[in-house]
Amino acid sequence: RKEVEQDPGPFNVPEGATVAFNCTYSNSASQSFFWYRQDCRKEPKLLMSVYSSGNEDGRFTAQLNRASQYISLLIRDSKLSDSATYLCVVNIGSGAGKSTFGDGTTLTVKP
Amino acid sequence: NAGVTQTPKFQVLKTGQSMTLQCAQDMNHEYMSWYRQDPGMGLRLIHYSVGAGITDQGEVPNGYNVSRSTTEDFPLRLLSAAPSQTSVYFCASSSDRKAFFGQGTRLTVV
Repeated sequence: RKEVEQDPGPFNVPEGATVAFNCTYSNSASQSFFWYRQDCRKEPKLLMSVYSSGNEDGRFTAQLNRASQYISLLIRDSKLSDSATYLCVVNIGSGAGKSTFGDGTTLTVKP
Repeated sequence: NAGVTQTPKFQVLKTGQSMTLQCAQDMNHEYMSWYRQDPGMGLRLIHYSVGAGITDQGEVPNGYNVSRSTTEDFPLRLLSAAPSQTSVYFCASSSDRKAFFGQGTRLTVV
């Protein structure tokens, strides 16, 4: 079993749709959680951190459920520019060097 | 702002050749990491460093060496290239557990 598992996708949605991605992690010692965005053939870029209290950044909402070891990302009012691969990332320990990436979920937003 | 700079961007090697992928950051981050990404997959950690003079192995270290003589630089050395090392390599430096990536090196081993 992979340490971080994501919905395989792909997700194909129309503009304006709401879409949700899920991610589960296996190591209960995980301490910090993130969503990254990766455009085709580019480097990953940090989208947002994920907290138990939930956090929102514009159209994006991230949520962490430590009891279920589950992370989610909700995108409202999808834009064409949201098309990308979304990577769930879990850190174990205090250093960022122990980041574990999910395989990513690909989103395509269509006109 | 340069951030994380990787060189080269593209490289073709013959089986058995050695080479070094360069990575430099100007953000004064203590943590640096090397990942590889194979098609359709997430990033897998090769080696990482928590500061100058300190390195450790990640998930897939075999066939790679690293060193960290300065805070800024974290080169990755392929000892004897194999076709299985064909991949995209990303270097990252991190602060507060948030990673900032270089643009990647696309390596093909023939």
